[in-house]
This record gives sequence, C-alpha cells and structure tokens, in this order.
Amino acid sequence: GAVVSQHPSWVICKSGTSVKIECRSLDFQATTMFWYRQFPKQSLMLMATSNEGSKATYEQGVEKDKFLINHASLTLSTLTVTSAHPEDSSFYICSARGLLGYNEQFFGPGTRLTVL
Amino acid sequence: AQTVTQSQPEMSVQEAETVTLSCTYDTSESDYYLFWYKQPPSRQMILVIRQEAYKQQNATENRFSVNFQKAAKSFSLKISDSQLGDAAMYFCAYRSALGAGSYQLTFGKGTKLSVIP
Repeated sequence: GAVVSQHPSWVICKSGTSVKIECRSLDFQATTMFWYRQFPKQSLMLMATSNEGSKATYEQGVEKDKFLINHASLTLSTLTVTSAHPEDSSFYICSARGLLGYNEQFFGPGTRLTVL
Repeated sequence: AQTVTQSQPEMSVQEAETVTLSCTYDTSESDYYLFWYKQPPSRQMILVIRQEAYKQQNATENRFSVNFQKAAKSFSLKISDSQLGDAAMYFCAYRSALGAGSYQLTFGKGTKLSVIP
C-alpha cells in the first residue's frame, strides 16, 4: 500500500512552453501533498504544500505564477511549470501525506524536466 | 526554524561491514519525529527508519538502527552487514509533531554511501 505515482517520469520541452506534472496517491486519500525540487547531488527543497480544495502554500522564493499547483481531489495534485526556461530544468518530486498512523509522507518516483 | 545537518557528504563501507552516518539537528521543540530516507540511483525516496522524540528506545529495522541522543540533538544511522544494495544517498529529516506545519519535512544535505565489494 501507500503508493504514489508521478506522470510523466521525464519530459523534454522547448523554452516558453508549459509543462504539467501529475501526482497521484493510488491506494489512499491524501489531504496534503508536497512538491519538492531537487538539483543534481543536492537535497530536496520544498516548493509548496497543497491541501485538497484550497490554495497551495508556497515556500519563500518560489514563484507562484511560474509553478501553479492544483489539488482538486484527495488523490490528485498537479504542478504546472508555466513558460518554462532552461533554469527550470530539474528533478521534481511529489509526496502525499497519509491520514493514518504516523501521517507519513509517501514519495512519488519523481519527474525529470529538461527545458531546451 | 529547524535545521538538519549531515556533516559527511560521502562515505564508503566494505561489503558486510558496519557504517554509521551522522546527523545533528537544531530545534526548540520537545515533540518531533526524525527520519532517515534512502534515495538510490532510481531517485525514489524510501523511508529507512523513524524515531519519535518522546521514545527513549532507539528504533531498529532489521540491519538499520539509530542512535538517538535527544539532549545532544544527534540522530545517527548505523547500517550493519552492509550490502551492495545499500549504496545510495541517505537523507536525515526532521518533522515537528505540533501545529499546522507539523507535516513538513526538513531535510539534511545528504550523505552519499558507497559500498565496496
């Protein structure tokens, strides 16, 4: 149990285009989902926290208009990188918080975004 | 704000030997959770072990155990009988047990563990 999927696993796009990444909790309901960004050989940096049905809370320094997060249901959150530029190239990871036990965060496998 | 420090960017261990990864943290809270996550080359984050701050007993999961020193704010991970599959980045993480932000994780910078055959 407690499986989180991300789609796509990797994406290449042209500069100026928008890219949507989906994060789904497959076998549990997730009130809260988190989006992280990870640069090569670095740690995970929390970008935003999203709660189902409400606006996401962004960390300081993260552009809300560039990284649009929607958490429309208890099993799906999306991250849209708008007008992507090469500097947005990174590894994006989502996690979903379970409602039982220790309220663990279960992580998706990540999405590698390359902007040309 | 809480901080998590991993002072060993890289470590190596001989297969079947034991290795200890260090982690210190800073917090003013008394109730919290500490975690060790493993990130293999696949980049999938995997929970290795969890420790609740109110528990004095050190957590153990098979070959993985922790040395939790609350007063010293230290949380080290010991891997016994190291296997090739243990090679990965290991992240120490902190999570508050209180308040609205209690579900956010604060990660250390990670330790890259290599296992030598």
